[in-house]
Amino acid sequence: NAGVTQTPKFQVLKTGQSMTLQCAQDMNHNSMYWYRQDPGMGLRLIYYSASEGTTDKGEVPNGYNVSRLNKREFSLRLESAAPSQTSVYFCASSDEGDIQYFGAGTRLSVL
Amino acid sequence: QKEVEQNSGPLSVPEGAIASLNCTYSDRGSQSFFWYRQYSGKSPELIMSIYSNGDKEDGRFTAQLNKASQYVSLLIRDSQPSDSATYLCAVARNTGKLIFGQGTTLQVKP
Repeated sequence: NAGVTQTPKFQVLKTGQSMTLQCAQDMNHNSMYWYRQDPGMGLRLIYYSASEGTTDKGEVPNGYNVSRLNKREFSLRLESAAPSQTSVYFCASSDEGDIQYFGAGTRLSVL
Repeated sequence: QKEVEQNSGPLSVPEGAIASLNCTYSDRGSQSFFWYRQYSGKSPELIMSIYSNGDKEDGRFTAQLNKASQYVSLLIRDSQPSDSATYLCAVARNTGKLIFGQGTTLQVKP
């Protein structure tokens, strides 16, 4: 039972490049989330998906897009990376309103 | 005012002491409250959840919730060096989304 799996673990991009962060969960959870974590800022919600086929903006959605591909997978796309998007990105999943379980994170640097 | 506030610390306690971590929140409609532990370079992991007023104990950990005063706390008894980490308080809105505090760094000194 892997829980929440994120790929890649590390990534370095140049300004303007695009990339997709992948997330998959095997706990049959309905809800999935993408957060970013910056020093001293805690975890901030980028986008979430309450169920398959639905997505909604969180606190800091600008510069990101998401796709809920199916119940297991929820991807985060950066179309044109900026240095301000240098951060650690976490994916999480939960049953509705309940405990969230986190992936190991993706450490992204944008130069 | 931030929706969920924690003292960023660091909070330093000697080994064997009680560590007390506090969190206040602004949304009176919040129903679910969580404490996550995060080691440096790792992902958050749940250590306690609490849903009703009062105390909830699990081993060396006790979560305390006071909805009237809008605070939730975490007590760690017999603190160990392995408890040194950042502790994140999270509060759930009725939409299911969590709002996280900025975290309190705990240092347990041998």
